[in-house]
Amino acid sequence: AQKITQTQPGMFVQEKEAVTLDCTYDTSDPSYGLFWYKQPSSGEMIFLIYQGSYDQQNATEGRYSLNFQKARKSANLVISASQLGDSAMYFCAMREGPETGKLIFGQGTTLQVKP
Amino acid sequence: GAVVSQHPSRVICKSGTSVKIECRSLDFQATTMFWYRQFPKQSLMLMATSNEGSKATYEQGVEKDKFLINHASLTLSTLTVTSAHPEDSSFYICSARPSWNYEQYFGPGTRLTVT
Repeated sequence: AQKITQTQPGMFVQEKEAVTLDCTYDTSDPSYGLFWYKQPSSGEMIFLIYQGSYDQQNATEGRYSLNFQKARKSANLVISASQLGDSAMYFCAMREGPETGKLIFGQGTTLQVKP
Repeated sequence: GAVVSQHPSRVICKSGTSVKIECRSLDFQATTMFWYRQFPKQSLMLMATSNEGSKATYEQGVEKDKFLINHASLTLSTLTVTSAHPEDSSFYICSARPSWNYEQYFGPGTRLTVT
């Protein structure tokens, strides 16, 4: 069965420093996609970054990068130069199979950026 | 582009009444729409997957007679919580998947409070 695990319920980071949010996954499907979403207190889900299982290079989007280690089945999110507005809940998700596009979400990590 | 709206954003209803939540893809046609439920500080739990013109597929443990889903057009899906009870109070989020990729675009969510 497919599974996504985020082992850090809460994280603190000093403003302007980098932080890594962990995500491991388990699937037997060779084709899958991994997503990171940010959910501020308003509740909206904000798409951050996507990594396909066949992508050769790690995905990057501005201050966000995904450290994709396929053999270890990990897809950690790295946020560089943290800002106060980065304080939010972060979810890792995996696309479950190509047919429906269903997403399985991890438990989430609450990130607090300290001034 | 790829904007999804939800209406209402907040609703308070009395126990025993029904409430309908709308999910619209504003600038694209959604092949598939998904409905999620989220309790405070918890992850998103997929309730059901709906495809336009066909019956929704419910996840295990979700009562289909209680959570009625209608996907009448390629831009509109509705979730009706029937005979609501206080334990149905939650944050309900929809997402829509366009025909051209596997990404899901999320609505802003609906906070339901049943008194």
